[in-house]
Amino acid sequence: LAKTTQPISMDSYEGQEVNITCSHNNIATNDYITWYQQFPSQGPRFIIQGYKTKVTNEVASLFIPADRKSSTLSLPRVSLSDTAVYYCLVGTGSGANNLFFGTGTRLTVIP
Amino acid sequence: KAGVTQTPRYLIKTRGQQVTLSCSPISGHRSVSWYQQTPGQGLQFLFEYFSETQRNKGNFPGRFSGRQFSNSRSEMNVSTLELGDSALYLCASSPVGGFTEAFFGQGTRLTVV
Repeated sequence: LAKTTQPISMDSYEGQEVNITCSHNNIATNDYITWYQQFPSQGPRFIIQGYKTKVTNEVASLFIPADRKSSTLSLPRVSLSDTAVYYCLVGTGSGANNLFFGTGTRLTVIP
Repeated sequence: KAGVTQTPRYLIKTRGQQVTLSCSPISGHRSVSWYQQTPGQGLQFLFEYFSETQRNKGNFPGRFSGRQFSNSRSEMNVSTLELGDSALYLCASSPVGGFTEAFFGQGTRLTVV
């Protein structure tokens, strides 16, 4: 499983766009990149998944450069409720099989 | 549809005891995985069950075991509890095949005293 490196923490003001970058230098050809969000004492929640270029859904965008050695999760106009830990995962596992979560990025949204 | 349900939500046990945690996956999901989350080690994979068979296992001692029933419900058992087993235990279910979205339950908070 490819290991990932993310900033340990980030602060942002409400209403700003937040970009969290994840490094995954050893990503394999078949690996997908997935981001999860976790609130205290709750299970992680899937945010977005991509393979290359750009993916967008109703809550976030995921930017993946051509070499795929990094990815950036973009959260538009964050609110206080976006305060959580964000995990970047890389792999080809089936569903929740052996997901490697790493340390994640603790995002704090400030009013 | 209903999400992943874990019971109980909170549990306090004494060192040396054993404990059984339960997980009901989303209807139609056949893969159930278990994770342990502690402040020091983060989220760590325990094992995965698919169609009543353990398909993958993380690096945990044999005191940690599990099983899956024909209705895909899963149980996790920890024997001879140690203080270090205090953690949030999370269950996740996913549909069959592929690198798919995993749906996590709210977890069981186990405290060993």
